[in-house]
Amino acid sequence: AQSVAQPEDQVNVAEGNPLTVKCTYSVSGNPYLFWYVQYPNRGLQFLLKYITGDNLVKGSYGFEAEFNKSQTSFHLKKPSALVSDSALYFCAVYRMDTGRRALTFGSGTRLQVQP
Amino acid sequence: SAVISQKPSRDICQRGTSLTIQCQVDSQVTMMFWYRQQPGQSLTLIATANQGSEATYESGFVIDKFPISRPNLTFSTLTVSNMSPEDSSIYLCSVERQGGYEQYFGPGTRLTVT
Repeated sequence: AQSVAQPEDQVNVAEGNPLTVKCTYSVSGNPYLFWYVQYPNRGLQFLLKYITGDNLVKGSYGFEAEFNKSQTSFHLKKPSALVSDSALYFCAVYRMDTGRRALTFGSGTRLQVQP
Repeated sequence: SAVISQKPSRDICQRGTSLTIQCQVDSQVTMMFWYRQQPGQSLTLIATANQGSEATYESGFVIDKFPISRPNLTFSTLTVSNMSPEDSSIYLCSVERQGGYEQYFGPGTRLTVT
């Protein structure tokens, strides 16, 4: 079964510092991986994806993620955090069971950026 | 990306009643999905709804409880039937971008069952 794990419930970082939100995956075959962000009282917004190609993918709002096959990880990063980045972040993997296509989400990591 | 709207945005319902949630997309899409999310927690897929075929339900979700319609390529409804307080949740619809695999989500419907 395809799954992702987010080992940290919450990450705290000071504004201006680099941030990392961790995600590891467990899939059979090549993984299709995604990051989403959810701001308070709003729907999920797509940030970025890894399908194939360059291991470093860039996305919206200055975020990037590094696909690491040997460590089965897909960590989300940003060089300099903003207070407005404070939100709930979800890692997801594309599931392609026979006859079914959908996303399986991790448990989520709450990012708190302190001014 | 796609612009997705949901109605209602929130509702408070009495147990034993049913609520139908509407999802409208601004472009034609093949695949639509319905998820459930407890506030601050992860998303759980309820079903996949493709136009012209029966919805495919995930383990733990059944058609009698969550009937879905998909009459055309821009619209879907999810009904939560015979509601109980355990059905209180946020219900989200999403669409998959053609050939892109990523999904785009509606703003959600916050349901409270009393």
